[in-house]
Amino acid sequence: QSVLTQPPSVSAAPGQKVTISCSGSSSNIGDNYVSWYQQVPGTAPKLLIYDNNKRSSGMRDRFSASKSGTSATLGITGLQAGDEADYFCGTWDDSLSALVFGGGTKLTVL
Amino acid sequence: QVQLQESGPGLVKPSETLSLTCTVSGDSISAYYWSWVRQPPGRSLEWIGYIYYSGSTTYNPSLKSRVTISLDTSKNQFSLKLTSVTAADTALYYCARTNYGDYAGSSPAFDIWGQGTMVTVSS
Repeated sequence: QSVLTQPPSVSAAPGQKVTISCSGSSSNIGDNYVSWYQQVPGTAPKLLIYDNNKRSSGMRDRFSASKSGTSATLGITGLQAGDEADYFCGTWDDSLSALVFGGGTKLTVL
Repeated sequence: QVQLQESGPGLVKPSETLSLTCTVSGDSISAYYWSWVRQPPGRSLEWIGYIYYSGSTTYNPSLKSRVTISLDTSKNQFSLKLTSVTAADTALYYCARTNYGDYAGSSPAFDIWGQGTMVTVSS
């Protein structure tokens, strides 16, 4: 059971937009900045977003993110087959004194 | 460009110590924080801990009693030791460069990752 809750899967057609949610609490998302990672099967995770909404170096502007209260959202527009991957959110948890991740969301491009 | 490469045994016996090394190329280890993150097969990510180039460490409390992360600046490497392993420690182990963001209260984020090394705990 992960500290941060993500939907197990989302799907959308090529060219469409999809959003992935990440729900936490006041001790983690509510009080800290959120990062997002993309993990294509068989490869290491890649940093997409840090500080809630800042794109990592080289990341396309098709990827965006936001935070409100104790939840965060990753958005991907203009879906491409290459976007099929697992997406993870992460943040610091003040109660656990640890960096925690969501359970991951598998994105399928139909 | 900066690259990280994990190395170490792929098989460790229960109750023994797991030891991994991460070699950093393309940049000096004498900056940034450096982390270990693991991922059990088919599951999510778990942060193990990190070391600052000064040598100070921060560990995940859930593993703290068994973890040691150390630095060898002369070899541009940092290492992980996890003692008293069990089958629950079987995972893909990643090393990662760790950066705090632009704000005073930013959370650490892992901006460069190694390819990962699979460690299986079994007799």
